[in-house]
Amino acid sequence: KQEVTQIPAALSVPEGENLVLNCSFTDSAIYNLQWFRQDPGKGLTSLLLIQSSQREQTSGRLNASLDKSSGRSTLYIAASQPGDSATYLCAVYLDWGGSQGNLIFGKGTKLSVKP
Amino acid sequence: DTEVTQTPKHLVMGMTNKKSLKCEQHMGHRAMYWYKQKAKKPPELMFVYSYEKLSINESVPSRFSPECPNSSLLNLHLHALQPEDSALYLCASSQVWTSGLSRGDTQYFGPGTRLTVL
Repeated sequence: KQEVTQIPAALSVPEGENLVLNCSFTDSAIYNLQWFRQDPGKGLTSLLLIQSSQREQTSGRLNASLDKSSGRSTLYIAASQPGDSATYLCAVYLDWGGSQGNLIFGKGTKLSVKP
Repeated sequence: DTEVTQTPKHLVMGMTNKKSLKCEQHMGHRAMYWYKQKAKKPPELMFVYSYEKLSINESVPSRFSPECPNSSLLNLHLHALQPEDSALYLCASSQVWTSGLSRGDTQYFGPGTRLTVL
């Protein structure tokens, strides 16, 4: 059974700092990996999708990397801003869905960026 | 248009009520999903409709009843819910999902319906 772990569970940083969020998964047989942002009580906003054949994706101040062989992904946020405060979820797409469905989430990292 | 819409945004209901959640997408996607998310927990899959056919329905209580009237619409009918069913209900869609073989197509999520059961 695929398990997705995110470390740390919570992170507080001063504005302007660069930071890294970590995601690990137990089964390297994934199709894609996606990072989401979730504001309190709100739905999910897709940030970056990395296909299994890719090593990284970039969007603005965000950079996500994927190492399938080691079962790891990182989300790098440059020059953090208070508006980046949210919970960041990592999710892996399985090659075989089965009864779990095909998208498995980690529990998230709650980020707080202080002015 | 990459938008998935959900109505209502908030819903408060008693344990004897019958209500429905609605989800709509106009991206031509043929797979639609319902997820349940409790506070401080990740989303958990409840149902998948692929080409308007229910593909997953395990361990979800029968008081939740999904319906897919057409490829753009997805409903979740609620009846005799319990307070522990209070959660954020998220709808998502993707190009396709085939039972037993996932292509991992990107899922697009709606903003969710915040459900409170009294």
